[in-house]
Amino acid sequence: QVQLVQSGAEVKKPGASGKVSCKASGYTFSGHYIHWVRQAPGQGLEWMGWINVNNGGTNYEQKFQGRVTMTRDTSISTAYMELSRLRSDDTAVYYCARSRGTSTSCYDYWGQGTLVTVSS
Amino acid sequence: DIQMTQSPSTLSASVGDRVTITCRASQSISSWLAWYQQKPGKAPKLLIYHASSLESGVPSRFSGSGSGTEFTLTISSLQPDDFATYYCQQYDGYWTFGQGTKVGIK
Repeated sequence: QVQLVQSGAEVKKPGASGKVSCKASGYTFSGHYIHWVRQAPGQGLEWMGWINVNNGGTNYEQKFQGRVTMTRDTSISTAYMELSRLRSDDTAVYYCARSRGTSTSCYDYWGQGTLVTVSS
Repeated sequence: DIQMTQSPSTLSASVGDRVTITCRASQSISSWLAWYQQKPGKAPKLLIYHASSLESGVPSRFSGSGSGTEFTLTISSLQPDDFATYYCQQYDGYWTFGQGTKVGIK
């Protein structure tokens, strides 16, 4: 069955970088885009960007341009999202999600989420 | 950016009730709309895609309708497992979510 398994919770200091991994199984990894979505405590869902797993191409929400980097390692079916210059308002649960069809699609499978806490 | 506005933000209902949630887009998105259900501490779950297509494995009491700028999610007979927060998402131009509708017990 399709699974996306994310790395564990992290605590980071302001100004540091944080990197979350998302390991896929149960399907052809290169056949679907991976999107990243975050959710601040008690808040709604916010799209951050996607990575084309096949060729490594990326598309980031303008708000995160310059701070976010999405990569993948096809040899181990894992996608990564790194956010730099962390601030307290970056405290959130970060989700990876598989694009249901093409890049311009909704998400049919999600990771379990990774809580990143930014605190001094 | 395309803005998505859901209403209501919260609603209270009883088991067996018919529940309708509305989502409005700031510009036409054709039928590029999805609905998700999220329970506390869990990832969202896809219910409806392309405005009215039921995702595999989702109970038939869930249905979606609409096109252009106005969309609805209907639960025909609310079940205990349905108390959760529901989000709409447009995927016509980038990806944006509504602010969510929390369905609670009356």
